[in-house]
Amino acid sequence: EADIYQTPRYLVIGTGKKITLECSQTMGHDKMYWYQQDPGMELHLIHYSYGVNSTEKGDLSSESTVSRIRTEHFPLTLESARPSHTSQYLCASSSPGDYNEQFFGPGTRLTVL
Amino acid sequence: RKEVEQDPGPFNVPEGATVAFNCTYSNSASQSFFWYRQDCRKEPKLLMSVYSSGNEDGRFTAQLNRASQYISLLIRDSKLSDSATYLCVVKSNTGKLIFGQGTTLQVKP
Repeated sequence: EADIYQTPRYLVIGTGKKITLECSQTMGHDKMYWYQQDPGMELHLIHYSYGVNSTEKGDLSSESTVSRIRTEHFPLTLESARPSHTSQYLCASSSPGDYNEQFFGPGTRLTVL
Repeated sequence: RKEVEQDPGPFNVPEGATVAFNCTYSNSASQSFFWYRQDCRKEPKLLMSVYSSGNEDGRFTAQLNRASQYISLLIRDSKLSDSATYLCVVKSNTGKLIFGQGTTLQVKP
């Protein structure tokens, strides 16, 4: 089993609230990622980080922001949640190398009412 | 056009059947290739990497055709536990993973 954790697993929240989705890994991986996945659809990369103090936006535009102050921790924040943010958010990490596996956390299923 | 294309299925097969999934990718500069498995409402997990020479892992065989930009996965002697969505994944020349929509397999008793 991969040592990558996400909390909360499920979140139902009202419009306009600020939320932070937590992701942490104990594998010492430099590379971390956030993906968004709607039911039956492909994963889309929304943020990634190649190390402490490094963050980049992914291929899918997102109103969320991320930070990477510690190697093991990569939280995602939405300042003002809206119904269009309803989705599953998956965090992943990997070590360098072309064929190194990306390990995924269990995901946070977010519903904004 | 999507960067990674898969037939979403579902593929409904009886136990013991052989089933093949195909995937095409658009970026000829893609570096490496994978099949991930995703169970319903769970996170994706690596099934196998796909090497240029083709590779096998038990009942699973993966092949890559760079000239045609095509990847395949063959599952022999299907088990009930093989029921899942199989994601074709391509690592781009920028190092990011691009996921296909997935092909759903249902193995029936």
